[in-house]
Amino acid sequence: EAQVTQNPRYLITVTGKKLTVTCSQNMNHEYMSWYRQDPGLGLRQIYYSMNVEVTDKGDVPEGYKVSRKEKRNFPLILESPSPNQTSLYFCASSSPSGGTLAQYFGPGTRLTVL
Amino acid sequence: DQQVKQNSPSLSVQEGRISILNCDYTNSMFDYFLWYKKYPAEGPTFLISISSIKDKNEDGRFTVFLNKSAKHLSLHIVPSQPGDSAVYFCAASVNFGNEKLTFGTGTRLTIIP
Repeated sequence: EAQVTQNPRYLITVTGKKLTVTCSQNMNHEYMSWYRQDPGLGLRQIYYSMNVEVTDKGDVPEGYKVSRKEKRNFPLILESPSPNQTSLYFCASSSPSGGTLAQYFGPGTRLTVL
Repeated sequence: DQQVKQNSPSLSVQEGRISILNCDYTNSMFDYFLWYKKYPAEGPTFLISISSIKDKNEDGRFTVFLNKSAKHLSLHIVPSQPGDSAVYFCAASVNFGNEKLTFGTGTRLTIIP
């Protein structure tokens, strides 16, 4: 089954404690992205990657890091989380060869930073 | 600066009638647009897209219209069904093949049985 998986699905942590949210896709997609969803703000892109070792900032990259060492994985790293990073996070993947640039989204990770 | 705007946070439509969701954008460099649907506790799912070389794209009950001069696109759902109740997001890209997407804030559609 084609899917994007994220782990963990829920996470409560404290300010300053480094964390990683993993994302993996099994569709051999070139493109991957991270978004955060906040009330009244919709989905905002944090980082995106157009292939292995190629990453770029989205609209809200501050406080986040990413890496793309393998095509299937795109982890999101919060080196020193702060309460304003409490949000719902989505990973997504897509391929331009599909003809639509439609992104497949993971189920989301709800992060609370105390 | 919100480059993609969905000015109606919510919309209620009777089952069987037409649902029209609207989206406006300010960046004239956008030339590829997508609509996504999101149910609670799930990730968004892709619905339909349109390139700026077209003004209409149809897929079953879903049609997207693009008016480039007005920087406006709309999603029509006909006929509306209860399962269409969800939050709908429009998104835009500078060009097809560019992964950088800008999303609107979403419109919650409720279909009344």
